[in-house]
Amino acid sequence: DSGVTQTPKHLITATGQRVTLRCSPRSGDLSVYWYQQSLDQGLQFLIHYYNGEERAKGNILERFSAQQFPDLHSELNLSSLELGDSALYFCASSVGSYNSPLHFGNGTRLTVT
Amino acid sequence: AQSVAQPEDQVNVAEGNPLTVKCTYSVSGNPYLFWYVQYPNRGLQFLLKYITGDNLVKGSYGFEAEFNKSQTSFHLKKPSALVSDSALYFCAVSGSNTGFQKLVFGTGTRLLVSP
Repeated sequence: DSGVTQTPKHLITATGQRVTLRCSPRSGDLSVYWYQQSLDQGLQFLIHYYNGEERAKGNILERFSAQQFPDLHSELNLSSLELGDSALYFCASSVGSYNSPLHFGNGTRLTVT
Repeated sequence: AQSVAQPEDQVNVAEGNPLTVKCTYSVSGNPYLFWYVQYPNRGLQFLLKYITGDNLVKGSYGFEAEFNKSQTSFHLKKPSALVSDSALYFCAVSGSNTGFQKLVFGTGTRLLVSP
């Protein structure tokens, strides 16, 4: 068990809808990362937060947004969903130093129909 | 920009034989290199990392990796494969010059260990 909790495990929704994915990092970890894993794109970095502040954006669409709250949990909001957004969304946390490993949750599988 | 290449989509090996999963990288500054493993329907699990020092790094479950600066490689190895090692393996790199910890992953290599 990595100590990173993601909810829900599965999400099925229709095109055009909006969903929120939630992540609780490991105790003591200040950094939260969001990744998208799909068969054709591999593991894509979306966004990184450190202690409530956005630190970096990767290949995140404008329809997607995230935030990290004072208690360090994070939410990833996906809106105007398209079929191509179907993927596994992973949250990972770390203590935040350059060389510290990431600890991944088990992911949320999003299916857009 | 930093990048990772895993040239093999799949590696097949018989149980008891040594295994190697290849990884090459490109990054500005000093590289921080990682290997992760993913089992079906699970998140990635950290196996080992190279930060500095000895070029041979030992990690979880008997895995080790060899850092080669001149070849910009970080191959994952295990002396004797187990059927339970069958999984998807990811190499990842971050660099000391990125300004933040941006971990870039390779496309993954599926390891299949046959009995």
